[in-house]
Amino acid sequence: EAGVAQSPRYKIIEKRQSVAFWCNPISGHATLYWYQQILGQGPKLLIQFQNNGVVDDSQLPKDRFSAERLKGVDSTLKIQPAKLEDSAVYLCASSRGGREQFFGPGTRLTVL
Amino acid sequence: GQQLNQSPQSMFIQEGEDVSMNCTSSSIFNTWLWYKQEPGEGPVLLIALYKAGELTSNGRLTAQFGITRKDSFLNISASIPSDVGIYFCAGQLAAGNKLTFGGGTRVLVKP
Repeated sequence: EAGVAQSPRYKIIEKRQSVAFWCNPISGHATLYWYQQILGQGPKLLIQFQNNGVVDDSQLPKDRFSAERLKGVDSTLKIQPAKLEDSAVYLCASSRGGREQFFGPGTRLTVL
Repeated sequence: GQQLNQSPQSMFIQEGEDVSMNCTSSSIFNTWLWYKQEPGEGPVLLIALYKAGELTSNGRLTAQFGITRKDSFLNISASIPSDVGIYFCAGQLAAGNKLTFGGGTRVLVKP
């Protein structure tokens, strides 16, 4: 079974630019999560989708971050405009809706 | 909000040693998960615990779900160099909910 796929793996941008990340979950997993992991910390949830509906986006900075999962499969996370403090690893995870979440390799974002 | 405290923050291992780490919470969780993360990779699930008092093993790893539901422990027996990495605990209130992560325990090899 293929794991969670993410791209790109690395991205370097300047502040105020925009950036987008892509995630393809494990086949058949209805629930998709985006987490932000700042260096030296554990991941923190940004947004959770159940199929193509948002379940929890309470921690998403909506003035600059947006995410969608239009067909209930893959998802994109966008930041516009980026700030220095957005430098982090962005992790995508998926689940069948149960207790275990499986993570992709992440996208490491550096904002200069 | 909920916070998970992991200790120790870092530890050095010598091949063959048994090591332990723990995770405590200010509130109750109904599922505890332990992940390992290596540089440049995402967290990999090691063990999942679903019931207070449960003790579960995965090879040389053993984890326990605390009776109070506010803590969990992970033990690694007979450590080997490839055990190096960052170990995260994560708590979950209900199936499908978000995971709340601890700050991680960094396991390093003694020089």
